Amino acid sequence: LAKTTQPISMDSYEGQEVNITCSHNNIATNDYITWYQQFPSQGPRFIIQGYKTKVTNEVASLFIPADRKSSTLSLPRVSLSDTAVYYCLVADSGYSTLTFGKGTMLLVSP
Amino acid sequence: KAGVTQTPRYLIKTRGQQVTLSCSPISGHRSVSWYQQTPGQGLQFLFEYFSETQRNKGNFPGRFSGRQFSNSRSEMNVSTLELGDSALYLCASSIGGEQFFGPGTRLTVL
Repeated sequence: LAKTTQPISMDSYEGQEVNITCSHNNIATNDYITWYQQFPSQGPRFIIQGYKTKVTNEVASLFIPADRKSSTLSLPRVSLSDTAVYYCLVADSGYSTLTFGKGTMLLVSP
Repeated sequence: KAGVTQTPRYLIKTRGQQVTLSCSPISGHRSVSWYQQTPGQGLQFLFEYFSETQRNKGNFPGRFSGRQFSNSRSEMNVSTLELGDSALYLCASSIGGEQFFGPGTRLTVL
């Protein structure tokens, strides 16, 4: 299984760009990388998913280098409401192999 | 569309008892996955069901079991509860590669 490692916590200020990196050295060829956001007392919410290179949607970007041993979630211009725990997930499309990171607690201050 | 619903939201049991948790996926989603979330271990995959069949299973003891019905609703059962089973149990339904999580059931074992 691809073990994932993320920073335990990060601090930022409103309006800044935040980059959270997840290491997954043993990622398999069939694995995708997905990032989730979780607020207290709620289930995780899908943010973005990618396989390689760069993916962008309306809320975030995901950068994956050629060796795919890490991935970086980029949140542009964070706001207070982005304070949450962010999880990196490595899994194949059939979820036969699935590993969540321990999560990164992002605190955004005014 | 209604989101993933889980019942009950909160549950208190004592050691040795058993418990059944219920999950109703988003309409049209045939895959349902279950996760255990604890402060120490983070999000851990329990199992996944697709069309009433368990397709994947995480590394949990046989006390944890589940099933899926023809309408895709799923139940999870934990027998002979232990103190360490206290956790947030999350259900997620999916179509394609994106998982949609429910709010979870908070189980406390006394």
